[in-house]
Amino acid sequence: KNQVEQSPQSLIILEGKNCTLQCNYTVSPFSNLRWYKQDTGRGPVSLTIMTFSENTKSNGRYTATLDADTKQSSLHITASQLSDSASYICVVSASRDGTYKYIFGTGTRLKVLA
Amino acid sequence: EAQVTQNPRYLITVTGKKLTVTCSQNMNHEYMSWYRQDPGLGLRQIYYSMNVEVTDKGDVPEGYKVSRKEKRNFPLILESPSPNQTSLYFCASSLSRVGNSPLHFGNGTRLTVT
Repeated sequence: KNQVEQSPQSLIILEGKNCTLQCNYTVSPFSNLRWYKQDTGRGPVSLTIMTFSENTKSNGRYTATLDADTKQSSLHITASQLSDSASYICVVSASRDGTYKYIFGTGTRLKVLA
Repeated sequence: EAQVTQNPRYLITVTGKKLTVTCSQNMNHEYMSWYRQDPGLGLRQIYYSMNVEVTDKGDVPEGYKVSRKEKRNFPLILESPSPNQTSLYFCASSLSRVGNSPLHFGNGTRLTVT
């Protein structure tokens, strides 16, 4: 069964600190892995998209890594800011017979405190 | 500004009263889809459309209908809403369903069915 599991479910950190969010997946056949940021009351916004051959991709203070062998990804946030408070969703795309399917994780809720 | 627009943002209705949630995108995207988001569950796909007049069921299509008469619009129709359809709904669009095109989400419609 295709699944995407994220950890931790929630996380509280102080402003300025770094943090790492985890995503493990059992999705086959794998096409790409995406991280989205969802602010409260808003739709998810794309942060990064990584294909099988990409190990790391950055978007400002956000750096995503992908280990396709162990089927794990992480999202590292550097020097956190209050505006980083949001849910972070890992999404894995599976492809089969020319069609694509998105499998969503349940997200990690991050709270950054001043 | 490139965006996906959903209306209404909030909707309270009673069981059995037909309703439509509208979705419009101004990016000339081929692919559009509807998701529902419930506490503790990842985003689940209801229906998707690869292009005009082409629609297909997602993972949880029961109780919903869609249409794609124009490229920019993809309304979600609940013919006879029930309380278990109380949820947060998101419309999304993408340049295409294949490859690395990011999904662009609307800001959601919170539906309550009493």
